[in-house]
Amino acid sequence: DTAVSQTPKYLVTQMGNDKSIKCEQNLGHDTMYWYKQDSKKFLKIMFSYNNKELIINETVPNRFSPKSPDKAHLNLHINSLELGDSAVYFCASSFDRGSYEQYFGPGTRLTVT
Amino acid sequence: QQQVKQSPQSLIVQKGGISIINCAYENTAFDYFPWYQQFPGKGPALLIAIRPDVSEKKEGRFTISFNKSAKQFSLHIMDSQPGDSATYFCAASSSGGSNYKLTFGKGTLLTVNP
Repeated sequence: DTAVSQTPKYLVTQMGNDKSIKCEQNLGHDTMYWYKQDSKKFLKIMFSYNNKELIINETVPNRFSPKSPDKAHLNLHINSLELGDSAVYFCASSFDRGSYEQYFGPGTRLTVT
Repeated sequence: QQQVKQSPQSLIVQKGGISIINCAYENTAFDYFPWYQQFPGKGPALLIAIRPDVSEKKEGRFTISFNKSAKQFSLHIMDSQPGDSATYFCAASSSGGSNYKLTFGKGTLLTVNP
């Protein structure tokens, strides 16, 4: 059973396009996150939702918009994709906003050409 | 501003040797220090974690040493195995405030040669 799943695993698209990445967790967790991992492996948090409420919004271009239809799902929509958006995007979840242990998904490798 | 500094960037160890990865932090409000392990093509996974009220925590071959006064902590992997080859991230978080955000170090690529 996959705890945190993401689709698609790979995404290749051209500059200027709009794309979405979907994330689902079946752990019953209240809190979900989006991270960006760049080519140098640096992991940086982008957003966090707790029970469908946005609680962390780092300095991220407003072309990135997260949406949480329910507490088991957190999607990431990216408008007007740029070359610099190429990275691996990880979804993660934790029991609640006060739980330090985070469970990561397998990642989505986004390549913008 | 990098709040958690990790070194070395890469490390090569022979099988059976000891791998040591070091991290230093600046924010004295940090009160939880986990280490995550990431294999190629996978997401990071929690390996071991420590709170500042103890100086050492051991789980199997993995040990965290914590020096609160120096604001440093390190991961020791004893009897390193080729299967330990992965990228290791230290991280830190603060329970002050309502949102517990993990701040990660830049990672250490560990290669254990057979």
